[in-house]
Amino acid sequence: EIVMTQSPATLSVSPGEEATLSCRASQSIRSNLAWYQQKPGQAPRLLIYAASTRATGIPARFSGSGSGTEFTLTVSSLQSEDFGVYFCQQYGNWPPWTFGQGTKVEIK
Amino acid sequence: QVQLVQSGAEVKKPGASVKVSCAASGYTFTGFYLHWVRQTPGQGLEWMGWINPNSGVTSYAQKFQGRVTMTRDSSISSAYMELRRLKSDDTAVYYCARDVTPSEVPAATGWFAPWGQGTLVTVSA
Repeated sequence: EIVMTQSPATLSVSPGEEATLSCRASQSIRSNLAWYQQKPGQAPRLLIYAASTRATGIPARFSGSGSGTEFTLTVSSLQSEDFGVYFCQQYGNWPPWTFGQGTKVEIK
Repeated sequence: QVQLVQSGAEVKKPGASVKVSCAASGYTFTGFYLHWVRQTPGQGLEWMGWINPNSGVTSYAQKFQGRVTMTRDSSISSAYMELRRLKSDDTAVYYCARDVTPSEVPAATGWFAPWGQGTLVTVSA
């Protein structure tokens, strides 16, 4: 089973600043990585797939990069609606599909 | 728009079973794989398995083998997840989520979008 490790656990950011979130896979998953955003009481929402492709309707301030075992999600100029928990998910080596433990982005 | 709507919250006693439903709309239900994922504060997001709504073929995570059954009723575009012999640590929010993989491919391979709104299952004596 591939273990996904996210860092940091919590990120405090001021509105308008940039947030950089990391995700590491325990073995290579090529570019088979997705990022999701989750707000309290809501289901996860797809942001990025194939490591760097934005899902339909996702603003350009969200960008993903990386391949192999190291991945990054960058949110430039954070807006109030961007605060929440972000998860990475690998779909390159299954079953099982596995998720990181999440990074909480909170208002500084 | 593509939407998955799940059944409401459940409270069950240890040893009981629960069956959660997931009704799809806005797309051809039999066209794409469906997964079930649960979320707990301690374990985070945990994949449980998938079903091919067209063929009914399923694949379950090893952890849930023997305790979970995933089924579908294509006539009403709905999928179901039944979990048996419930324990207190099965208390979680259960989600269905559509895979991007078409059902004619032999197995699910992709990412998930959209997700259902979630169903809270509480297991307590």
